[in-house]
Amino acid sequence: EAQLVESGGGLVQRGGSLRLSCAASGFTFSTYWMSWVRQAPGKGLEWVANIRQDGSETYYMDSMKGRFIVFRDNTRNSVFLQLDGLRAEDTAIYYCARVAKIYNYYMDVWGKGTTVIVSS
Amino acid sequence: EVVMTQSPDTLSMSPGERATLSCRASQTVLTNLAWYQQKPGQAPSLLIYGASTRATGIPARFSGSGSGTQFTLTISSLQSEDFAVYYCQQYNNWPLTFGGGTKVDI
Repeated sequence: EAQLVESGGGLVQRGGSLRLSCAASGFTFSTYWMSWVRQAPGKGLEWVANIRQDGSETYYMDSMKGRFIVFRDNTRNSVFLQLDGLRAEDTAIYYCARVAKIYNYYMDVWGKGTTVIVSS
Repeated sequence: EVVMTQSPDTLSMSPGERATLSCRASQTVLTNLAWYQQKPGQAPSLLIYGASTRATGIPARFSGSGSGTQFTLTISSLQSEDFAVYYCQQYNNWPLTFGGGTKVDI
């Protein structure tokens, strides 16, 4: 069974950094695009970033470009999200998700999420 | 950016009733539209992709329709486990965008 487990969330001061990790199991990780999606408290879903199977392509929501970086290590079946310059509005649950099919960027497997709280 | 607008915000229903949820895109997304269900305290889960194809294991009471800019998710006969928030997502253009969600409650 495909599974994703996020970690690395926590409480950080405004302007600080965090690195989120997502460990994949139960599928051939290196053959899938991966996504990060976030959800602020009591709010809807917001796409953050996607990364291609080999890490050669990445896409970001405009508001996160230059502050967030997505990368992966296929030898460790893991994808990461580096969060820099954190703002209060970045407080959210961050979900890692598997993109179902190449060029069809919907997400068919989701992790349980890791919570990031940015204090001002 | 393609703006996805869902309506209504909340749908108050009873078990056994038919629920119809709408999702509108600000420009065409063809049929590159997915629906997700999210229950309280849980991650989202995929229901529908390609506007009308049920994901693996999704019951037949869930159906999706539409193309271009107008989409509908129908739950033919609500079960207690269907009371949740539903989101649409377009994947035709970058950035990927979600609708604001429709809460289906009792």
